[in-house]
Amino acid sequence: EAAVTQSPRNKVAVTGGKVTLSCNQTNNHNNMYWYRQDTGHGLRLIHYSYGAGSTEKGDIPDGYKASRPSQENFSLILELATPSQTSVYFCASGDVLDSYEQYFGPGTRLTVL
Amino acid sequence: AQSVTQPDARVTVSEGASLQLRCKYSYSATPYLFWYVQYPRQGLQMLLKYYSGDPVVQGVNGFEAEFSKSDSSFHLRKASVHWSDSAVYFCAVSANSAGNKLTFGIGTRVLVRP
Repeated sequence: EAAVTQSPRNKVAVTGGKVTLSCNQTNNHNNMYWYRQDTGHGLRLIHYSYGAGSTEKGDIPDGYKASRPSQENFSLILELATPSQTSVYFCASGDVLDSYEQYFGPGTRLTVL
Repeated sequence: AQSVTQPDARVTVSEGASLQLRCKYSYSATPYLFWYVQYPRQGLQMLLKYYSGDPVVQGVNGFEAEFSKSDSSFHLRKASVHWSDSAVYFCAVSANSAGNKLTFGIGTRVLVRP
């Protein structure tokens, strides 16, 4: 069964610390996405990728970096975490061959103190 | 750029009643349109999608949605809700651009009362 997994599921970080959120997909999709979910905003796109080695800025990229070392893996990196980055982060994969549907992971709840 | 408006932040219905969730989108051409559902402490799951053809599309668990080009809307309906339908529902649009990015509405939280 195709799946998107995320780790960790919960993370508490300190302000100024580095945080890496990981995502793995077994859908063999070319595209992968990172979103954050906040009350009153729905899901907002942070970064996305067309395939291994590529990363693109989404709608709210400031304060975040992304890395796509392989087809299966896509990481979101917070070099200097701030309390405003406290949120729930979702990874997704998708492909034009799958009619643009995106498949989501279970989410990572990040708290920055 | 495309946008999605879900005007109802919260909806409360009784079990067995009908449900309609509203969604309006802004995009110059016909986009891909989606409804996703998020159950508590879970990721999003697609309920249904539309791109072309019959404007009424059927989804999982008895949900359907109707596309209206003239109204720029894609409203979600269910004839008879169950308590397990309590969740947050998101409407989303894809502009078929490179990267197939989705733009989401803010979501509608549905509470089904027994």
